Amino acid sequence: AQSVAQPEDQVNVAEGNPLTVKCTYSVSGNPYLFWYVQYPNRGLQFLLKYITGDNLVKGSYGFEAEFNKSQTSFHLKKPSALVSDSALYFCAVRDSRYSSASKIIFGSGTRLSIRP
Amino acid sequence: GAVVSQHPSWVICKSGTSVKIECRSLDFQATTMFWYRQFPKQSLMLMATSNEGSKATYEQGVEKDKFLINHASLTLSTLTVTSAHPEDSSFYICSARDGDFGPGTRLTVL
Repeated sequence: AQSVAQPEDQVNVAEGNPLTVKCTYSVSGNPYLFWYVQYPNRGLQFLLKYITGDNLVKGSYGFEAEFNKSQTSFHLKKPSALVSDSALYFCAVRDSRYSSASKIIFGSGTRLSIRP
Repeated sequence: GAVVSQHPSWVICKSGTSVKIECRSLDFQATTMFWYRQFPKQSLMLMATSNEGSKATYEQGVEKDKFLINHASLTLSTLTVTSAHPEDSSFYICSARDGDFGPGTRLTVL
């Protein structure tokens, strides 16, 4: 079975500082990993995904994430936070052994709050 | 642009009525679609896997007779919440392939 853990319910960062949102995963095969952002009363917005290749994945809005197989982690990072980054962030995983038509499992979410 | 659409984007209904939510893949065919539910300030929980031309696969704890899923074509899956009650009020989101999610449907049952 696959699972995702986001250990922090909330992360608070000052504007301009670097931010990290943590994610660890568990799958039987190799993972496909995703990050999504959700603003209030809105759907999910795709940020980035890791399929294979370079462990550092660059995504939308200046975000990036690093795949670490030994630590089974896929932390989301941004060098300089903006107030507009304040939102709910979800990490998600799919088992690569199955086709793209297989289910994605989400973490519990981390609320990111950027103070001016 | 968006590759998965949902309709309606929001709906308010009376307790006891049924509500149908549509999920469409816009520029590709999807033999499999997924339905998620999100309660306020919570994560997305997978409800069921919709399979074109066959029965849906429901996750543990999801009532298949209450949440009817029909995947009659390669571009359309529907979720019908039957005899809706206030506790069914939630945000319902579909997915049609790797990482492509619909905009969601907010259901409020009075």
